[in-house]
Amino acid sequence: EVQLVESGGGLVQPGGSLRLSCAASGFTFTSYAMTWVRQAPGKGLEWVSTVPGGGSDTYYADSVKGRFTISRDNSRNTLHLQLNSLRAEDTAVYYCAKVYYDISGYYPIDSWGQGTLVTVSS
Amino acid sequence: DIVMTQSPDSLAVSLGERATINCKSSQSVLCGSNNKNYLAWYQQKPGQPPKLLIYWASTRESGVPDRFGGSGSGTDFTLTVSSLQAEDVAVYYCQQYCTTPFTFGPGTKVDIK
Repeated sequence: EVQLVESGGGLVQPGGSLRLSCAASGFTFTSYAMTWVRQAPGKGLEWVSTVPGGGSDTYYADSVKGRFTISRDNSRNTLHLQLNSLRAEDTAVYYCAKVYYDISGYYPIDSWGQGTLVTVSS
Repeated sequence: DIVMTQSPDSLAVSLGERATINCKSSQSVLCGSNNKNYLAWYQQKPGQPPKLLIYWASTRESGVPDRFGGSGSGTDFTLTVSSLQAEDVAVYYCQQYCTTPFTFGPGTKVDIK
């Protein structure tokens, strides 16, 4: 059974930093791209970032580019998201998700974690 | 960036009746060498993460009831719930996974009338 368990959320002041983690199990971690999607309170879904299985390429939404860094530790089946220079509008539940990909491109998100809440407030 | 729009914002349908949600992309999501529409539909119930319903615009995910159907191509897509059940009350999102950023639509809330 696929399991994605996020951790690291919490309350942080504007301008602060936070590191989110996602522990993955139940599938071959290196065969999947991993993605972060966030959802502000009462709002819709926003794709944040994706990293393929090898970890060499990374993709970001313009709203977080230069402030957030996605990475993965394939030896520990763990995904990370480093959040720097946080703003009030970054307040959201952050979901970890897995995405299959192959030579034809990316596939849709087929599994999601339960999410971790990040609150940016003074 | 590909912008995704959905209509309506919300709808209320009687039990057993049909619910129809539309999704439009600002450019074609018919991508790649496999001639497929890179368009997915997700269902999100309160307090839960989203769940994949439909991918490649019309392929039902394993375990999804056959009352859920997807159609469309290019830039215009539709999710249909043929006979709405109480457990289908949720917000439904479309998403393109053709090119980054993998944008979502704003969502459509479905309730029981």
